[in-house]
Amino acid sequence: DQQVKQNSPSLSVQEGRISILNCDYTNSMFDYFLWYKKYPAEGPTFLISISSIKDKNEDGRFTVFLNKSAKHLSLHIVPSQPGDSAVYFCAASTTGANNLFFGTGTRLTVIP
Amino acid sequence: DAGVTQSPTHLIKTRGQHVTLRCSPISGHKSVSWYQQVLGQGPQFIFQYYEKEERGRGNFPDRFSARQFPNYSSELNVNALLLGDSALYLCASSLDPSGANVLTFGAGSRLTVL
Repeated sequence: DQQVKQNSPSLSVQEGRISILNCDYTNSMFDYFLWYKKYPAEGPTFLISISSIKDKNEDGRFTVFLNKSAKHLSLHIVPSQPGDSAVYFCAASTTGANNLFFGTGTRLTVIP
Repeated sequence: DAGVTQSPTHLIKTRGQHVTLRCSPISGHKSVSWYQQVLGQGPQFIFQYYEKEERGRGNFPDRFSARQFPNYSSELNVNALLLGDSALYLCASSLDPSGANVLTFGAGSRLTVL
């Protein structure tokens, strides 16, 4: 049972434009959400996170939005750069839990 | 500073064999987690260890086992390998076992079972 879903397996965006990656979850107990970025032959690298007490968290070019009523979060990258080309995983956790639930990933390609 | 290191990076086994994967966490990190990433899927939680004790286990059969050593390094063992065990096995470390702690992942061990 996939509790975290990323329904877009791939996304292509022109350099300088906005990239929007989406993620949906089904478990209402999730209260902490993270985005990881993965380059080939490397492990996933933490990008940004958000707690369920917030609806937005921003870090430089990266902003994560959380809509708890819709059980939906999104990652915005502005402006997109070719170095952002990677697979992006959405992950979720519950307070006190010791594991993350990952989505299937979205491959972002930023075209120069 | 060294990140999370895993060995071997690649290995090929045949069905029924046994495999041991190794992980060294970031210095100072006492929690180690193991995840399995099958091609086209996201990482799936296998185990978490903290202070040498198992703190969590995912939905994996008993063929999968792990342990953590006094220096906080860890081993993942898989017995009686099946074709479906072919995957990238990721180790991650964190300061403590809280789910809100950011996990730092290694590059993984890619296992191919023939």
